[in-house]
Amino acid sequence: DVKVTQSSRYLVKRTGEKVFLECVQDMDHENMFWYRQDPGLGLRLIYFSYDVKMKEKGDIPEGYSVSREKKERFSLILESASTNQTSMYLCASSLGGLKDSNQPQHFGDGTRLSIL
Amino acid sequence: GQQVMQIPQYQHVQEGEDFTTYCNSSTTLSNIQWYKQRPGGHPVFLIQLVKSGEVKKQKRLTFQFGEAKKNSSLHITATQTTDVGTYFCAGLSNQFYFGTGTSLTVIP
Repeated sequence: DVKVTQSSRYLVKRTGEKVFLECVQDMDHENMFWYRQDPGLGLRLIYFSYDVKMKEKGDIPEGYSVSREKKERFSLILESASTNQTSMYLCASSLGGLKDSNQPQHFGDGTRLSIL
Repeated sequence: GQQVMQIPQYQHVQEGEDFTTYCNSSTTLSNIQWYKQRPGGHPVFLIQLVKSGEVKKQKRLTFQFGEAKKNSSLHITATQTTDVGTYFCAGLSNQFYFGTGTSLTVIP
């Protein structure tokens, strides 16, 4: 079974802090994704990566950056946290890379981030 | 902006009643996937539809992809309390766009 592990289930940070959310998958998947989930808005894609050191902007990349130095790890960075970034953050991974991007996504349990 | 809309946002049904959620895209999709998220859980992949007009069944769940590949539906026959959760569609065009989700409550 695919395991996608997010480093924290709950996180509380202060406005202006630099925040790191970590995600690790154990199935050698090429693709990794970061979403935020807000009531009434569903899941919105922040960034995705189809290979090591590769990244693509999703729908809402503003205020975020990502890092993929190793295939199994995809980090989401909030450069200067703001209260409107309070949300549930979900990481996902899938097989296939850019040319085979229609594979099912496997999600982590999520990180509920509160910015005070 | 949001390219995949899903209705209704909430649905309460009596156990045993049927349930349908609809997904509509502003653009043609390569494929569509459906996910279920139980309360407190994470989205779990259910199925993928690729062909125009495709219909797939999983026990009491029927999934349909529209002829124009711009819409899809999930129908649950005779709901059970185990069906409770939020159902998301996710359409692939240049990237995956998740729908806004339909939260299903089943009243015993």
